[in-house]
Amino acid sequence: DGGITQSPKYLFRKEGQNVTLSCEQNLNHDAMYWYRQDPGQGLRLIYYSQIVNDFQKGDIAEGYSVSREKKESFPLTVTSAQKNPTAFYLCASAELWGQGSTGNTIYFGEGSWLTVV
Amino acid sequence: AQTVTQSQPEMSVQEAETVTLSCTYDTSESDYYLFWYKQPPSRQMILVIRQEAYKQQNATENRFSVNFQKAAKSFSLKISDSQLGDAAMYFCAYRGNAGNMLTFGGGTRLMVKP
Repeated sequence: DGGITQSPKYLFRKEGQNVTLSCEQNLNHDAMYWYRQDPGQGLRLIYYSQIVNDFQKGDIAEGYSVSREKKESFPLTVTSAQKNPTAFYLCASAELWGQGSTGNTIYFGEGSWLTVV
Repeated sequence: AQTVTQSQPEMSVQEAETVTLSCTYDTSESDYYLFWYKQPPSRQMILVIRQEAYKQQNATENRFSVNFQKAAKSFSLKISDSQLGDAAMYFCAYRGNAGNMLTFGGGTRLMVKP
């Protein structure tokens, strides 16, 4: 079954602790993204990657880090420097602009809830 | 930078009636796509409809259609014969050929009354 898998669905972080959210896709997409969504708000871009071993900061990258060692994987680490990490996190992927047959559509995983305790 | 604006934080519609959600955007690019995504309480982002900027014909998917006004930079979503399952947050989004990113509006919460 093709798609984007995020894990865990629920995660609790203690103060001062780093946590990592997993995102795996088997759609053979080159581009991958991480978005943050706060309650009742829209989506804000944290990081994105268009190729293995390369990634760019989005609008709210401070306190987060990513890696892209494999095409299908784009894990997000929420570091202790992120002072207000409680939110819903969405991973997404897409073919690069103008390539493929999906009409430049970006597809999403089911999301992960992160709560600070 | 591109911006997407949804001016209606909340909308309500009677079941079986029609509702239109508004979206405006700002860009200097000539080649781009516009999307409407639905986010139900499960928080899954579901693609509703997409529009290619260079196509003049408005996209249609069953009960969902758009009114794309390129010169006015407007992209509204019309839902016909509204159903209870249409109740959700709806996000308008923009993807251009620079940066491969998707920029979202703030969302519109749609309530459907039985």
